[in-house]
Amino acid sequence: AQSVTQLGSHVSVSEGALVLLRCNYSSSVPPYLFWYVQYPNQGLQLLLKYTTGATLVKGINGFEAEFKKSETSFHLTKPSAHMSDAAEYFCAVSDLEASGGSYIPTFGRGTSLIVHP
Amino acid sequence: SQTIHQWPATLVQPVGSPLSLECTVEGTSNPNLYWYRQAAGRGLQLLFYSVGIGQISSEVPQNLSASRPQDRQFILSSKKLLLSDSGFYLCAWSVPKGPFNQPQHFGDGTRLSIL
Repeated sequence: AQSVTQLGSHVSVSEGALVLLRCNYSSSVPPYLFWYVQYPNQGLQLLLKYTTGATLVKGINGFEAEFKKSETSFHLTKPSAHMSDAAEYFCAVSDLEASGGSYIPTFGRGTSLIVHP
Repeated sequence: SQTIHQWPATLVQPVGSPLSLECTVEGTSNPNLYWYRQAAGRGLQLLFYSVGIGQISSEVPQNLSASRPQDRQFILSSKKLLLSDSGFYLCAWSVPKGPFNQPQHFGDGTRLSIL
């Protein structure tokens, strides 16, 4: 069965500092990987996704993530944090085999990003 | 373009009362539809998903039920709410029959408080 682990329920950074949110997954076949962002009292919004091809994926709002198969990781980064980046971030994984033919992604428990002025 | 609507945005209900939350999708046909619950600090819990009219799969035994009376309408219901039903409820859709590299699209959620 596929699973997703997000290390750290909270990550705190200063404005202008590097943002690194960690995501590790387990999947028996090459997975599809997603990062979503959730602002307070809103739904989730897709930041970026990895399907095939280039392992460094660029998303919205200056975020990017790198798929590392050997490390089963898909960490999210941003060179310089803005106050507006404060939100909850979710990593998700999907693969055909684990889903049994249905599109049921598995989500991590989320990481709350706190940005200090 | 596709849009998803959820209502109401907030709801306060007494214990034992019924519940009906509605979600509709526009701009696409035969979407996969999902209901999630998000409790504070506990991530997303998939409650129900549907691949077509009248086809509902339940992921977690609970006090809730779901129905899909029309192609782009998904309803979450309860006959008698429990305190544990409090949370943030999210509806989502995805393209039908995969492909699995396509993301889910979420509504803005309903904040449900049980008193």
